[in-house]
Amino acid sequence: DAGVIQSPRHEVTEMGQEVTLRCKPISGHNSLFWYRQTMMRGLELLIYFNNNVPIDDSGMPEDRFSAKMPNASFSTLKIQPSEPRDSAVYFCASSRQWNTEAFFGQGTRLTVV
Amino acid sequence: DAKTTQPPSMDCAEGRAANLPCNHSTISGNEYVYWYRQIHSQGPQYIIHGLKNNETNEMASLIITEDRKSSTLILPHATLRDTAVYYCISPYNNAGNMLTFGGGTRLMVKP
Repeated sequence: DAGVIQSPRHEVTEMGQEVTLRCKPISGHNSLFWYRQTMMRGLELLIYFNNNVPIDDSGMPEDRFSAKMPNASFSTLKIQPSEPRDSAVYFCASSRQWNTEAFFGQGTRLTVV
Repeated sequence: DAKTTQPPSMDCAEGRAANLPCNHSTISGNEYVYWYRQIHSQGPQYIIHGLKNNETNEMASLIITEDRKSSTLILPHATLRDTAVYYCISPYNNAGNMLTFGGGTRLMVKP
């Protein structure tokens, strides 16, 4: 398996634009997690899904952030409108079950100017 | 969920064993201890996990104290490529507190 695949790897956008980050989890994994990492705040859990259903989105910082998982092989994290403080590395991870080891993608480095 | 405490940084000489401690004094009986590491600019990588017994795999060994209030991750022969931030977490419980990371320990392996 190719592991968790995220796209794009790098994204530079202007403030106010919509940004969509994509994630393909490992086949057969039932749980999917979105994280944001910055120097100041470290790794923050934004939202996680179990069997395509959002279980806990309490980490989503604002209504500008939304995440979907339309099927078991694809998830998106959207920021609309984007702001400079959203600049960070965004990681997606998947695991076979909610309480087993998670595998992370390589991340998307987002820069909002 | 159990809160974990780790030293912010440690050094280790290349070829020597790296022993990374973690305190999790509030851990409950059904909560596992997981270790991940993050090498610069990469996504975190799973290393090992355990409940009460010591565990070993091809990457590391995990020693958990009998009272389960602390654990030690052991890299038996550290290499320069083991330089990373190591996270000890006890992420999963029935309340659904999921996989949240603290500050971790920044391990620097030196030649």
